[in-house]
Amino acid sequence: KAGVTQTPRYLIKTRGQQVTLSCSPISGHRSVSWYQQTPGQGLQFLFEYFSETQRNKGNFPGRFSGRQFSNSRSEMNVSTLELGDSALYLCASSLDSSVYEQYFGPGTRLTVT
Amino acid sequence: EDKVVQSPLSLVVHEGDTVTLNCSYEVTNFRSLLWYKQEKKAPTFLFMLTSSGIEKKSGRLSSILDKKELFSILNITATQTGDSAVYLCVEMDSSYKLIFGSGTRLLVRP
Repeated sequence: KAGVTQTPRYLIKTRGQQVTLSCSPISGHRSVSWYQQTPGQGLQFLFEYFSETQRNKGNFPGRFSGRQFSNSRSEMNVSTLELGDSALYLCASSLDSSVYEQYFGPGTRLTVT
Repeated sequence: EDKVVQSPLSLVVHEGDTVTLNCSYEVTNFRSLLWYKQEKKAPTFLFMLTSSGIEKKSGRLSSILDKKELFSILNITATQTGDSAVYLCVEMDSSYKLIFGSGTRLLVRP
């Protein structure tokens, strides 16, 4: 079974631009969660989607948004990028509401200059 | 606001040593506590703890939860260099939202 895939793996953007990151969960998994990881803040929860609905949201500004498609693939969008948005963005999928047993993707390294 | 605090922040041991990693939490609506191991990039799931006093064990790793004192420990016995990683303690609240601790960076020297 293929694991969680994320594209692109690396991305360089400039301040003010927007970016869209993609996550394909493990086949059959309906829950997709997004996390931001930075050296200073550690791993922080962004949001979770389950069956195309946002079920949970972390404490991030409205510039961070996401969506999930009917095939469970998910996208995350960050608008009006700031330097502080530079981070590793991890996506994790799980079978259903048992969010604990999550399988993480390799992440997308976003650098904002 | 829910908070998860891990200690120590980093630890250096030699192969064969036993280590204990600590995690304390403050939560409003606790559901469960999870431990992850993170090497390089993606965290991998280790344990989920829901009930106090019941030890979860997997090989040389074990973990226990104390819901009265709001803490958990992760023990690793007979450490190996492959145990070198960041260990993340995570609290899950009643709505399945996850709050991560800052992690304990463990380095096991040969």
